[in-house]
Amino acid sequence: NAGVTQTPKFQVLKTGQSMTLQCAQDMNHNSMYWYRQDPGMGLRLIYYSASEGTTDKGEVPNGYNVSRLNKREFSLRLESAAPSQTSVYFCASSDPVGELFFGEGSRLTVL
Amino acid sequence: GQQLNQSPQSMFIQEGEDVSMNCTSSSIFNTWLWYKQDPGEGPVLLIALYKAGELTSNGRLTAQFGITRKDSFLNISASIPSDVGIYFCAGQRAPNFGNEKLTFGTGTRLTIIP
Repeated sequence: NAGVTQTPKFQVLKTGQSMTLQCAQDMNHNSMYWYRQDPGMGLRLIYYSASEGTTDKGEVPNGYNVSRLNKREFSLRLESAAPSQTSVYFCASSDPVGELFFGEGSRLTVL
Repeated sequence: GQQLNQSPQSMFIQEGEDVSMNCTSSSIFNTWLWYKQDPGEGPVLLIALYKAGELTSNGRLTAQFGITRKDSFLNISASIPSDVGIYFCAGQRAPNFGNEKLTFGTGTRLTIIP
C-alpha cells in the first residue's frame, strides 16, 4: 500500500522562488494536513483540509497556500520562499478523529 | 501555539536497557498519543490513550495517561537497535477531538550505543 505519497523528497530554493509540494493519499481519507518539523519544535500544523473543497489555517500558515484538488490530493505552495521556511514538511491524512498517517517528508532548503 | 514539554530531549543508552520518557503540559488533555519517527521517515502511531490513569501496552512499549490529565509517560523495555528514532507525544485538549487540534511535543531522540 502506498499510503501517503509526497513529492519532491528534497528541494533547494533561492529566496523569493516559488514551489509546490504535492501530496496524495490512497486511503480514502476525508482529512488531510500539512505540517512542518523544525529541530526542537516538534511538528506544527500549517494548513488542513477537513474534507474535499475545504481548507483551514493551522498554527503557522503565514507564507503558505494550499489547494485540496480532490479527495486524494492536497498541495502546499510557497509563493516567495524565505530562509525561515527551511524545514522538513510532512503531509498526513486521517478520518476526522482517526489515526494520522504521515508521508515520508519533503526536505526544503531555502538559501 | 502551545508546545508540549517532552523530556529528555535525547537519550544515549546501551542495547537491553529500559527507557523512560515523559510529556507534560499546563493544560488538561483528553487524549494522549505517542508516535515514533524512524530516520528519513514520517511519524507512526505507537500507542493511543483516551482515559486518565489508563495504562496501555504495545509489545515492549507501555504508555500511561497521567491521572492529572496534564502528563503522559512512555516506557520501552529491553531496548533493541530498531528502537532508534525520535519519539513524539501528542495531545488533544478537552473537549476537542479533531486531529487539527493535536499538539505535538518537541520529541525525544533515542540513540543506542553499540
